[in-house]
Amino acid sequence: GAVVSQHPSRVICKSGTSVKIECRSLDFQATTMFWYRQFPKQSLMLMATSNEGSKATYEQGVEKDKFLINHASLTLSTLTVTSAHPEDSSFYICSAPRGGETQYFGPGTRLLVL
Amino acid sequence: DQQVKQNSPSLSVQEGRISILNCDYTNSMFDYFLWYKKYPAEGPTFLISISSIKDKNEDGRFTVFLNKSAKHLSLHIVPSQPGDSAVYFCRRGMDSSYKLIFGSGTRLLVRP
Repeated sequence: GAVVSQHPSRVICKSGTSVKIECRSLDFQATTMFWYRQFPKQSLMLMATSNEGSKATYEQGVEKDKFLINHASLTLSTLTVTSAHPEDSSFYICSAPRGGETQYFGPGTRLLVL
Repeated sequence: DQQVKQNSPSLSVQEGRISILNCDYTNSMFDYFLWYKKYPAEGPTFLISISSIKDKNEDGRFTVFLNKSAKHLSLHIVPSQPGDSAVYFCRRGMDSSYKLIFGSGTRLLVRP
C-alpha cells in the first residue's frame, strides 16, 4: 500500500486564491520531505526540501514567498501555493526518504488555476 | 547543473521488441543510479537500480547497464509491453543532502 499520501489529489481554484497541498508519510517518520513539480513537457523539477523544525530549502528560481512550505510534524509537510495564477497549474509531487536510497513518492496533486 | 541527462524525450517501440532508454551523467564520482517509471497523474515508482561496482543489473524484463568510462547508463526492457508505456526517469544516488536529481525523462510508447 501507499506509504506517502497527498491531499488533495486534484484541486481547481480561481486565480488569486491560495491552495494548500498536504504530504504525509503514513507509517514512518520523515524529517525531510521533498516537493517536485512536473512541467507539461514531463521533466520533474525539485522545488524545495522541507525540513522538520526548520526552514525549507528552496531550489534556485523557486519563489519561497510563492510556495510556502511548512513541515509541521515528522509525518506532515504542506505546500501552499499563494495567490495562485494559471501558470502555477501543474502536477505537484512530494517524496520522503526512508533509509538509504529509498524514497517514496506521493501520488501527486493536480492543480488547475482558472 | 544537469547532473543526469536524458537526451531522448520520447521513444516509440512495437510490442514485443526491445526498448532502450538512455541516461548520461556528468560526474564520474557518481556511484549509484536508479530508474523510475511514472504514469500520468501518479508519483514515480522505483524500477531498478545499479551500483558502480557492477556494469549490469537485471530484474525480470528490465536490465540496466552501466558504462562508467562513457558515464552512460541504459535501461533495456525486453520484451516491451503496452503497459510499459510511461515516462522513465533516471537519477543519481543521493548525496548528503538527500536531494533527488532526476533526468528530464523519456516518454516510452509501446505500440500494440
